[in-house]
Amino acid sequence: GAGVSQSPSNKVTEKGKDVELRCDPISGHTALYWYRQRLGQGLEFLIYFQGNSAPDKSGLPSDRFSAERTGESVSTLTIQRTQQEDSAVYLCASSLERTVEQYFGPGTRLTVT
Amino acid sequence: AQSVTQLDSQVPVFEEAPVELRCNYSSSVSVYLFWYVQYPNQGLQLLLKYLSGSTLVKGINGFEAEFNKSQTSFHLRKPSVHISDTAEYFCAVSEGNQGGKLIFGQGTELSVKP
Repeated sequence: GAGVSQSPSNKVTEKGKDVELRCDPISGHTALYWYRQRLGQGLEFLIYFQGNSAPDKSGLPSDRFSAERTGESVSTLTIQRTQQEDSAVYLCASSLERTVEQYFGPGTRLTVT
Repeated sequence: AQSVTQLDSQVPVFEEAPVELRCNYSSSVSVYLFWYVQYPNQGLQLLLKYLSGSTLVKGINGFEAEFNKSQTSFHLRKPSVHISDTAEYFCAVSEGNQGGKLIFGQGTELSVKP
């Protein structure tokens, strides 16, 4: 079956512009996660959606970052007024409710010039 | 707060040699432990996980890991590596009451040479 998909695969933007990154989770997966992977570093948790519960936003690095999820499907991560330090690979993952195995998408490579 | 430390950023090894990638974690509660692999230009793939039960867990591609609660470690091992095992390996921890979010280590780059 189809895995987690993300778009675009690559995004180059100018400093100060806003960007939107999209994630399509595996059908039926109620949990959705966003992570960030900076060059040469591990993954940092950003935000977590579980069904209709309030999202866990504890990992968002600043108020320039926000995310939405439509029901149990698509999620969009928005970064406003991008900075060079936002350059990273943004990974999305999904999982079934009450299971711990997360399935990762291929990521969106964001470059802020 | 949880944290994960991968003690080696790079591990070079010759083909068919054994390898151990080290991972230590800190947490005040029970945890779930994971190893993920990231092949060049590919996404993350789950290698193995420890949830409960036997402390020795076996994963894909001949890898295994042992959970040691007293040493708060979850080291990954393979008795004989192949060139195709060259990749970045990430250790991760999840606390049961944190909704499943993963805290990752910095990664270990395994380079297998002929």
